[in-house]
Amino acid sequence: TQLLEQSPQFLSIQEGENLTVYCNSSSVFSSLQWYRQEPGEGPVLLVTVVTGGEVKKLKRLTFQFGDARKDSSLHITAAQPGDTGLYLCAGLYGGSQGNLIFGKGTKLSVKP
Amino acid sequence: DTAVSQTPKYLVTQMGNDKSIKCEQNLGHDTMYWYKQDSKKFLKIMFSYNNKELIINETVPNRFSPKSPDKAHLNLHINSLELGDSAVYFCASSQDDTVLPSYEQYFGPGTRLTVT
Repeated sequence: TQLLEQSPQFLSIQEGENLTVYCNSSSVFSSLQWYRQEPGEGPVLLVTVVTGGEVKKLKRLTFQFGDARKDSSLHITAAQPGDTGLYLCAGLYGGSQGNLIFGKGTKLSVKP
Repeated sequence: DTAVSQTPKYLVTQMGNDKSIKCEQNLGHDTMYWYKQDSKKFLKIMFSYNNKELIINETVPNRFSPKSPDKAHLNLHINSLELGDSAVYFCASSQDDTVLPSYEQYFGPGTRLTVT
């Protein structure tokens, strides 16, 4: 059974601070996705990383895929209250036919 | 112009009842999914349908049955509802690239099911 460990589970910070969320597995992913979910809504895709060592930037968000494709991180620079939400990583394993395995999420709260 | 829509948004019902949740996507995607999100926000896949065929069926009770009348719809029917079925159910869809499939999911707004 593939497991995807996401940490931290909760994060409460002040506006302007930086933060990093981690997603780890003992198995190799064929690709990994990051989603953001707001209360009462469905998750929204932020980014997909496919290549080992890949780095993608989305404004103040930086996503990195580990060289071995077993881990990923999301770094937010100068967090803002609008970044508040639940961040989910989801791994796709080879041959899984779309069976994404989700991490348990990081609930981020950014206080003004 | 909603991409993935679900009805109803909220569903409150008693144990033992049978209920259905409807899902429609207007993205022209090949595959549709049902997920269950529990009270701790853990999101787990239940089913997916591709070209009217069930290609993933996770270990969910057979009281849950997905039904796909066409490529744009995947409904979820639940028989004999139990207290533990209370959760938020999300429908999703993806367009699958045959060369490098990433299965990027487009989620609906969710249906909050409460069984009393």
